[in-house]
Amino acid sequence: SAVISQKPSRDICQRGTSLTIQCQVDSQVTMMFWYRQQPGQSLTLIATANQGSEATYESGFVIDKFPISRPNLTFSTLTVSNMSPEDSSIYLCGMSQGASGELFFGEGSRLTVL
Amino acid sequence: GESVGLHLPTLSVQEGDNSIINCAYSNSASDYFIWYKQESGKGPQFIIDIRSNMDKRQGQRVTVLLNKTVKHLSLQIAATQPGDSAVYFCAEKRDTGRRALTFGSGTRLQVQP
Repeated sequence: SAVISQKPSRDICQRGTSLTIQCQVDSQVTMMFWYRQQPGQSLTLIATANQGSEATYESGFVIDKFPISRPNLTFSTLTVSNMSPEDSSIYLCGMSQGASGELFFGEGSRLTVL
Repeated sequence: GESVGLHLPTLSVQEGDNSIINCAYSNSASDYFIWYKQESGKGPQFIIDIRSNMDKRQGQRVTVLLNKTVKHLSLQIAATQPGDSAVYFCAEKRDTGRRALTFGSGTRLQVQP
């Protein structure tokens, strides 16, 4: 499977600021996904990021709060805007490779908002 | 360590015993299912998958069973080892037109030496 790298791996942020998380894949993939994992919770899909088109957001997530870029087939960014303590979570980048449909994930970016 | 799994149901087993982790899914149209393992401080790791046209699939020390009648999925781990301690999530692909997965709530497996 491809190697997925996320940066930063963790950060402590101040309320009201924004942070951009980067996701780099070592092979070209069509579909990349951004998930959120709140403390003690499961993974919730934020949006699907396809190269060359606008990201598709899930119910409860909006572009103004979580703008996403997908400039090429190996890279994507997720910005968490105007952060509040409720945004403290692990943010995970995933990608789908091959016909079977399994998703592979990076190690996640652990954000703590004070 | 991270707080992943802090509020999740916990299954505690003795080393060497078999473990069974269960998952109920909601969408009868889901056609693909995956089990993931998430260790503290890491991202989810693919374990095994199964398509809806199968009811059983075996891997190395792991078996996934799918009961579509009651929309139930289980993961069996044989001869559980301390390294199996983690949070386990089932995931389903609900929409054949998309590749995004919907995750279940997770179970924390604790292996006692």
